[in-house]
Amino acid sequence: DAGVIQSPRHEVTEMGQEVTLRCKPISGHDYLFWYRQTMMRGLELLIYFNNNVPIDDSGMPEDRFSAKMPNASFSTLKIQPSEPRDSAVYFCASSTSSYEQYFGPGTRLTVT
Amino acid sequence: AQSVSQHNHHVILSEAASLELGCNYSYGGTVNLFWYVQYPGQHLQLLLKYFSGDPLVKGIKGFEAEFIKSKFSFNLRKPSVQWSDTAEYFCAVLTGGFKTIFGAGTRLFVKA
Repeated sequence: DAGVIQSPRHEVTEMGQEVTLRCKPISGHDYLFWYRQTMMRGLELLIYFNNNVPIDDSGMPEDRFSAKMPNASFSTLKIQPSEPRDSAVYFCASSTSSYEQYFGPGTRLTVT
Repeated sequence: AQSVSQHNHHVILSEAASLELGCNYSYGGTVNLFWYVQYPGQHLQLLLKYFSGDPLVKGIKGFEAEFIKSKFSFNLRKPSVQWSDTAEYFCAVLTGGFKTIFGAGTRLFVKA
């Protein structure tokens, strides 16, 4: 199994631009999570899905952030417009009902 | 609100020293507890977990953790650390549903 796949691994963009982060969960996992990691705030849960349906998006910072999961093998996290304070590492993780989460390698986002 | 507190942000040890990383959580219900590790440049991976039963759980690479319900604690221990244990360690608690709350992390540096 290839594990959780995220793309791109690094993204540098200018303030105001749209950013789309992608995630492919492990096949058969029915939960998908998006996290943001920063030095100041640590690891924060942004949103999670169960069977492609968003269950809890209370961690999404503001309306500039949106996440979708059109099918069981793909999810996106979009930031529009991006701001410098969005600079962070964004992790995607997937899980089954066993609760253990498998993390992807992360996307390091830099907004200048 | 649920929270996870890790007492030490940075720990520096020499090889062969014993390790104990503190973790306290605030959540009144049934908890499932985890320790994750993030090696430099890598993604988070599960070190060990507690769901029920024996409060002393053993994980990979010689790590163990003890769940003390009365103290709301789940401290991580290792009798003798190695240089390769240099990493960031995250305590996490799974609350109602599938929402996992992570601590701020403890960065461990082991001197060779």
